[in-house]
Amino acid sequence: KAGVTQTPRYLIKTRGQQVTLSCSPISGHRSVSWYQQTPGQGLQFLFEYFSETQRNKGNFPGRFSGRQFSNSRSEMNVSTLELGDSALYLCASSSRGTSADTQYFGPGTRLTVL
Amino acid sequence: AQSVTQLGSHVSVSEGALVLLRCNYSSSVPPYLFWYVQYPNQGLQLLLKYTSAATLVKGINGFEAEFKKSETSFHLTKPSAHMSDAAEYFCAVSANYNQGGKLIFGQGTELSVKP
Repeated sequence: KAGVTQTPRYLIKTRGQQVTLSCSPISGHRSVSWYQQTPGQGLQFLFEYFSETQRNKGNFPGRFSGRQFSNSRSEMNVSTLELGDSALYLCASSSRGTSADTQYFGPGTRLTVL
Repeated sequence: AQSVTQLGSHVSVSEGALVLLRCNYSSSVPPYLFWYVQYPNQGLQLLLKYTSAATLVKGINGFEAEFKKSETSFHLTKPSAHMSDAAEYFCAVSANYNQGGKLIFGQGTELSVKP
């Protein structure tokens, strides 16, 4: 079974631009979560989607948004990029979306904002 | 609200020595706890998880962890370190008891293994 895939792997943008990141979960998984990883703040939860509905949201500004499609693929969008948005963005999927489920992580998208 | 504290941002051991990475949690409900490992330029890989079955959990690559409710701890151990164990390790708690999808992570512990 293929793992979680994320595209692109690397992105360079400038301040003020917007960016869209894509995540394809493991086949059959219905829950997709997004995390931001930075050296200063560590791993922080962005949001989680289950069956195309956002169920949980972290403490990030409205510039961060996401969506999930009927095939469970997910995208996250960051508008009006700031230097502090430079980070590794990780996507994770789980089968049933319960608290005990294992979340399987993709390799991440490294975003650099100049 | 749940939280996780990992004691020691960096741990260094010699090859063949015991590995002990510490994790303490705070949770108002019975927690689900996870240990993940991250190698450079990669995502996170699950080592093991506790979901209220056995308190001693065995994982991949010879790692294990013991859930101690009285100490609110979930420390990760491996009897004999290998060079390939050098990586960053994260302890996490599942934040929503009735819904999944949100993990609260500790700050991570970087493990170095000396030859």
